[in-house]
Amino acid sequence: DAGITQSPRHKVTETGTPVTLRCHQTENHRYMYWYRQDPGHGLRLIHYSYGVKDTDKGEVSDGYSVSRSKTEDFLLTLESATSSQTSVYFCAISSEDRGNTEAFFGQGTRLTVV
Amino acid sequence: KQEVTQIPAALSVPEGENLVLNCSFTDSAIYNLQWFRQDPGKGLTSLLLIQSSQREQTSGRLNASLDKSSGRSTLYIAASQPGDSATYLCAVPSGGYNKLIFGAGTRLAVHP
Repeated sequence: DAGITQSPRHKVTETGTPVTLRCHQTENHRYMYWYRQDPGHGLRLIHYSYGVKDTDKGEVSDGYSVSRSKTEDFLLTLESATSSQTSVYFCAISSEDRGNTEAFFGQGTRLTVV
Repeated sequence: KQEVTQIPAALSVPEGENLVLNCSFTDSAIYNLQWFRQDPGKGLTSLLLIQSSQREQTSGRLNASLDKSSGRSTLYIAASQPGDSATYLCAVPSGGYNKLIFGAGTRLAVHP
């Protein structure tokens, strides 16, 4: 298994509170991603990073921010959680090598906003 | 805009059957396609990555094919087992940086 660790694995939080999810990798891959998975919508990209301090928005970025201060860590922050952000969040990594771009996923964080 | 479709959405088969899962994509300008497996409540496990220069990729009882010109990929599972029960997802890169667009998945149930 690729070395990807997400924390926490489960979290319940109240509407309006800030929440930070962490993704840690030991593969030294340059690219990192945050996806959310929802019934009826499948997996959708929130934000991604193509290097330290280099990040950009994905398809569903509203209400989320990210930071990457080290190669191995990619943080996803919900500044003020809403019920619509109740979801399962997955971190993923991949190499920038075009010949070997296999993506690997973490085990997910189940977030419930009440 | 790239769209990925998987058919069927769900499949129930008896153990031992050979089966085919389908994935289609609208933009054929891809450089690879990846198949994943997801067990309930778990993360995604990479099964096979097919480069655009390849037509097939095999891993054990799994064989994936890719036809870019027709915008299709198939995942063939030989001699299915109850342990194969899971959701199978295909994904293609879109928009650079290996960002993935996923299909909705095929939920497979293999019964003894």
